Amino acid sequence: RKEVEQDPGPFNVPEGATVAFNCTYSNSASQSFFWYRQDCRKEPKLLMSVYSSGNEDGRFTAQLNRASQYISLLIRDSKLSDSATYLCVVNRSGGSYIPTFGRGTSLIVHP
Amino acid sequence: DAGVTQSPTHLIKTRGQQVTLRCSPISGHKSVSWYQQVLGQGPQFIFQYYEKEERGRGNFPDRFSARQFPNYSSELNVNALLLGDSALYLCASSLDGTGSYEQYFGPGTRLTVT
Repeated sequence: RKEVEQDPGPFNVPEGATVAFNCTYSNSASQSFFWYRQDCRKEPKLLMSVYSSGNEDGRFTAQLNRASQYISLLIRDSKLSDSATYLCVVNRSGGSYIPTFGRGTSLIVHP
Repeated sequence: DAGVTQSPTHLIKTRGQQVTLRCSPISGHKSVSWYQQVLGQGPQFIFQYYEKEERGRGNFPDRFSARQFPNYSSELNVNALLLGDSALYLCASSLDGTGSYEQYFGPGTRLTVT
């Protein structure tokens, strides 16, 4: 089993739709979590950190479920410009620092 | 403020050659991490350096090495290049080496090995 797993998609949704992605992780020692967005042939850009209590940034909401070992990203009112690959990253430390990215979930928002 | 910078942007090398990639972090950031990304996959962690010391290492062969300089810039070296080393090499900087802070990525160096 991979340490961090994401459904690669693609998720194909109309403008205005709500879409949710999950990212599961296997190492219970994981300590910090982030979502990144990557456009084609560009570098990943930080979207948001994921806090235990959940956090929201405009149309984006991130949640962490430690018991079930997954994080989620909810996008409301999808825009055409949200089309990208969404990467989760799980960091575990305690000795050495090991960040693990998922393979990414592709989102296509169409008119 | 300048973001993370990397050089060169593109590179073509032949099998067996050696390559050095360079990265300058965001001002004030003391940690630099290196990643390899192949098409269709997420970035794979290679190294993390903090305060000039290696703090983490991914599952890459000894052909890969790195170092961090007193000004916190970093170099990634790859020896004896293989065709499979063709990838986008990303550098990311963060405030410290704990993993608690966000990482900010540079534009990457696209390496092609022929």
